[in-house]
Amino acid sequence: SAVISQKPSRDICQRGTSLTIQCQVDSQVTMMFWYRQQPGQSLTLIATANQGSEATYESGFVIDKFPISRPNLTFSTLTVSNLSPEDSSIYLCSVEVGPPSYNEQFFGPGTRLTVL
Amino acid sequence: AQSVTQLGSHVSVSEGALVLLRCNYSSSVPPYLFWYVQYPNQGLQLLLKYTSAATLVKGINGFEAEFKKSETSFHLTKPSAHMSDAAEYFCAVSEVDTDKLIFGTGTRLQVFP
Repeated sequence: SAVISQKPSRDICQRGTSLTIQCQVDSQVTMMFWYRQQPGQSLTLIATANQGSEATYESGFVIDKFPISRPNLTFSTLTVSNLSPEDSSIYLCSVEVGPPSYNEQFFGPGTRLTVL
Repeated sequence: AQSVTQLGSHVSVSEGALVLLRCNYSSSVPPYLFWYVQYPNQGLQLLLKYTSAATLVKGINGFEAEFKKSETSFHLTKPSAHMSDAAEYFCAVSEVDTDKLIFGTGTRLQVFP
C-alpha cells in the first residue's frame, strides 16, 4: 500500500483565480492519477501523470485548464485554472501500487474545492 | 470500452441484515475488478479486488465479492451490516490494455438501527 497526503484538504476560491493541489506519496511510484468527483457524482479521471513526461489528459480535460507537474516519483501537483463555480468538486490523486498489471490504485484523502 | 453499472444508487438495510450491493461490468475479456468505499469527507479506500485468481474474494471489514463471468457481475456482500458500514461504495473495472480505472456511479449504503 501507500500513504498519500494532499494539500490543501479544502479551499474556497474566487471565480477567475487558480488553485494548486499537492499530492505527496510516502514511496516512489511510477503512475499517479488525478480525478475529479463532482457533488454527488462518481470519479472521473482527469489525467495520468508519469514522472519525466507530459501528463496524459482524458477527453474533456485540457492542459491549459488543468496543468499538472510531476517533478519526481513521490510528488505531483494539479492546478485548476481560471476557476468557475462549475469547478467546485473534490479532487483526488491516486497512485498505482503493486504489480503493474493489476492496476490497483490507492487514493489520497481529496481536496474539496468550492468556487464562489 | 469497458464500463461498470451499479444498480441502486441508494441501499438501506437494518443493522445485522445482509448487505448486497450490485455491480455489473462490460468487457470482452476478464478484467480486474475492484470495490472501493468512501466514508463521508474522506478519500477512497480499497475494500477488495479480483485479479483472476479465486472467484470469491474476501476483503476488509467482513466484505466479500464473487466474480461471476457468466453473469458479468461482481456483487459485494456482507452477512451482517454494522452502523459503521454506512458509506458510499464504488465498483471499478480496470482497462486491460491501460492503467485506467473506470468507476461506477456509486451506491450509498444506509444502515438503520
